[in-house]
Amino acid sequence: EVQLVESGGGLVQPGGSLRLSCAASGFIFRGYSMNWVRQAPGKGLEWVSFISSASSSIYYADSVKGRFSISRDNAKNSLYLQMNSLRAEDTAVYYCARGGWNYDLDYWGQGTLVTVSS
Amino acid sequence: QSALTQPASVSGSPGQSITISCTGTSSDVGSYNLVSWYQQHPGKAPKLMIYEGSKRPSGVSNRFSGSKSGNTASLTISGLQAEDEADYYCCSYAGSRTPYVFGTGTKVTVL
Repeated sequence: EVQLVESGGGLVQPGGSLRLSCAASGFIFRGYSMNWVRQAPGKGLEWVSFISSASSSIYYADSVKGRFSISRDNAKNSLYLQMNSLRAEDTAVYYCARGGWNYDLDYWGQGTLVTVSS
Repeated sequence: QSALTQPASVSGSPGQSITISCTGTSSDVGSYNLVSWYQQHPGKAPKLMIYEGSKRPSGVSNRFSGSKSGNTASLTISGLQAEDEADYYCCSYAGSRTPYVFGTGTKVTVL
């Protein structure tokens, strides 16, 4: 059974940093691209970042470019999101999601809440 | 890259069929047959319902179907059931540097 479990969310002040993690199991992690998707309270889904299976391709949404950094450790079956210079508008539930073969997102974690507030 | 446009809400009675539209541009929906649809119940993670425009993952009811015409994709739910009440999001590939663009989301209400 595919499982994705996020952790690392919490309350952080504006300008602060946070590192999210996503532990994957139940599939060959190194064979799939991975993504972070976020959802602000009461709002829709927003794609945040993509990383290919071997980390050779990395992309970001314009809203986080230059502040967030995605990475993965295939030996540890883990995905990460380093978030710096956080703003109030970054407040959201952050989901990790597996990239399917047809640019879909076929499995999602339960999400971790990040709150940016003073 | 702007979000794809969906109606804010759609409603129907049990047993009826409803259709949710998802309008993009020639840079996303119109250029690729790579539209996916997600169902999200309150407080839960999204669930993939349709991929590659019209294909259903294993385990998804055949009451859910997808199609596309030009820059607009559609999700149809037939034989509407109470459990279908949820938010639905479309998503399209929009090029290698923007692999995912989501729609604005549609709240489906079963009357």
